[in-house]
Amino acid sequence: SYDLTQPLSVSLALGQTATITCRGDKIGTKNVHWYQQKPGQAPVLVIYRDDERPSGISERFSGSNSGNTATLTISRAQAGDEADYYCQVWHNRAAVFGSGTQVTVL
Amino acid sequence: QVPLHESGPSLVKPSETLSLTCTVSDGSISSHYWSWIRQSPGKGLEWIGYIYYDGTTNYNPSLKSRITISIDTSKKQFSLNLSSVTAADTAVYYCARVDLSSGWYTDLWGLGTLVTVSS
Repeated sequence: SYDLTQPLSVSLALGQTATITCRGDKIGTKNVHWYQQKPGQAPVLVIYRDDERPSGISERFSGSNSGNTATLTISRAQAGDEADYYCQVWHNRAAVFGSGTQVTVL
Repeated sequence: QVPLHESGPSLVKPSETLSLTCTVSDGSISSHYWSWIRQSPGKGLEWIGYIYYDGTTNYNPSLKSRITISIDTSKKQFSLNLSSVTAADTAVYYCARVDLSSGWYTDLWGLGTLVTVSS
């Protein structure tokens, strides 16, 4: 099996930059996707294929992936960015999700 | 109209089979993989499996012995059967669409349906 490790939580002040990591063995060789999930709602794709942004997603969201770590960066954090964030890859044709990171904007 | 809509019983008894259907309202059913994903209360996302329009499937190894995913392209629906359920199967179940163009990202999710396993 393949494991993805994320920090449990990240807290930051309004307007600051949040960095959420997703660690996995040689994850840099895989396509990493990131999803935002707000309470009571379905997840929403915010970054796909490491660093691509779907239409309608703020340019404040960016991603990178290298070695054993993928990163989601949220710049100029807003209250509306408070959510859980999950990374995801495919391994042996099975989808694997990270454990999720709760982002709190203070 | 919701592009993906899950339907099925919200309450299932232990040891019985959980059955859900997802209706695809947006676009062709023939050009994506179609996934089931679940989320237990207060927990993270767990991929259950996917199906392609030609019936090709792949399942989460930890659930494989209990899962069947099927598809009816004429109705633009795909379904999940999960047998021998226990309380641990209580979760919000999402159907979702996987874009195959590059990277296989899940670009569309249903709203989710809560299924509770209880007698």
